[in-house]
Amino acid sequence: KNEVEQSPQNLTAQEGEFITINCSYSVGISALHWLQQHPGGGIVSLFMLSSGKKKHGRLIATINIQEKHSSLHITASHPRDSAVYICAVRRRSDSNYQLIWGAGTKLIIKP
Amino acid sequence: GAGVSQSPSNKVTEKGKDVELRCDPISGHTALYWYRQRLGQGLEFLIYFQGNSAPDKSGLPSDRFSAERTGESVSTLTIQRTQQEDSAVYLCASSFRTGNYGYTFGSGTRLTVV
Repeated sequence: KNEVEQSPQNLTAQEGEFITINCSYSVGISALHWLQQHPGGGIVSLFMLSSGKKKHGRLIATINIQEKHSSLHITASHPRDSAVYICAVRRRSDSNYQLIWGAGTKLIIKP
Repeated sequence: GAGVSQSPSNKVTEKGKDVELRCDPISGHTALYWYRQRLGQGLEFLIYFQGNSAPDKSGLPSDRFSAERTGESVSTLTIQRTQQEDSAVYLCASSFRTGNYGYTFGSGTRLTVV
């Protein structure tokens, strides 16, 4: 079983829909990252969380440390949000830089 | 510079040749990471540099792979005697120290070994 699991693997939605992408992990962590990878391959770091909730524009990320679960929400989704969203965690017991990567969620927003 | 710069953006090479990939991190970012992403797969850690400390090379897949970084500046990833399985996008990221800091990724070098 992978230490970081994302769901769904693929998600297609209509423009304007509220999107939720989930990330569950099975190890103790010191931080969780959400990243966005565009079709061209470029990767953008969206959020880094160790507790609670963060918001940036239409993006909201939450984490529940007790339940070992994080969600990434997109409000008023737009076709330009189409990308692969990747969850990655820094395991507490590891060296400070090592990340365990989820497999990604491919999101397609149709106009 | 304003972002992490990687060059070349695309490289096609013949099997058996050596290639050198370059990463120019954000100024002031002491931590630098190399990752590999094969088609349809996730990110695979290769090597990590932090300032002048000895790099962690534990992710390098074979002795054909090596990387260098001078101080806190440019890094080069060298692949010797390339094989077809080396075909991938090679991504570089930098961050301000280690710990719980965000990463900035470069746009990657797409390597194709024919």
